[in-house]
Amino acid sequence: GEQVEQRPPHLSVREGDSAIIICTYTDSATAYFSWYKQEAGAGLQLLMSVLSNVDRKEEQGLTVLLNKKDKRLSLNLTAAHPGDSAVYFCAVRDTNAYKVIFGKGTHLHVLP
Amino acid sequence: GGIITQTPKFLIGQEGQKLTLKCQQNFNHDTMYWYRQDSGKGLRLIYYSITENDLQKGDLSEGYDASREKKSSFSLTVTSAQKNEMAVFLCASSIARVEQYFGPGTRLTVL
Repeated sequence: GEQVEQRPPHLSVREGDSAIIICTYTDSATAYFSWYKQEAGAGLQLLMSVLSNVDRKEEQGLTVLLNKKDKRLSLNLTAAHPGDSAVYFCAVRDTNAYKVIFGKGTHLHVLP
Repeated sequence: GGIITQTPKFLIGQEGQKLTLKCQQNFNHDTMYWYRQDSGKGLRLIYYSITENDLQKGDLSEGYDASREKKSSFSLTVTSAQKNEMAVFLCASSIARVEQYFGPGTRLTVL
């Protein structure tokens, strides 16, 4: 079945720097990709989703890139600020499944 | 907008006890999910439900039961709590297999 690897598990950046999180997946039929943010003591908050026919999507300081050839999904937080400190998860789902496979998460710390 | 509520927020149980977690959503979503989150292990799917009265096992269903008696609610039962178990249980809902919306979680501790 589908497997998702997320890296790095921990990431520290300075305020104003970029933070990049990468996920790789194994199933070329995967059709739907999402990124979630989890703050301490809270559930997961959906950040952005893309379909497999999208290579790049930008919203509010976040950029999602999808490289289908390499089966790689990335999230780039440009100009990170301390409020971005949280755990980030990628999630993938193929076209015919209700099940979503999550990465293991990246703990992001943005230092002032 | 809508909201997902989970009760209780904190649940402390004894070894061998049957424990029930509840989830309510007012999005009018068809599909609901229960996940278990352990530190460093991401989210693992326990049960999901495509519609009222439907139940589908996930990867971690052993030791759990679920119930979807109404479209808006989805309950999870830990059939026999394991000593020293600690985890967060997250409920989510979605429409037409699109984005999932999560509740705040129930934090389980078994003494």
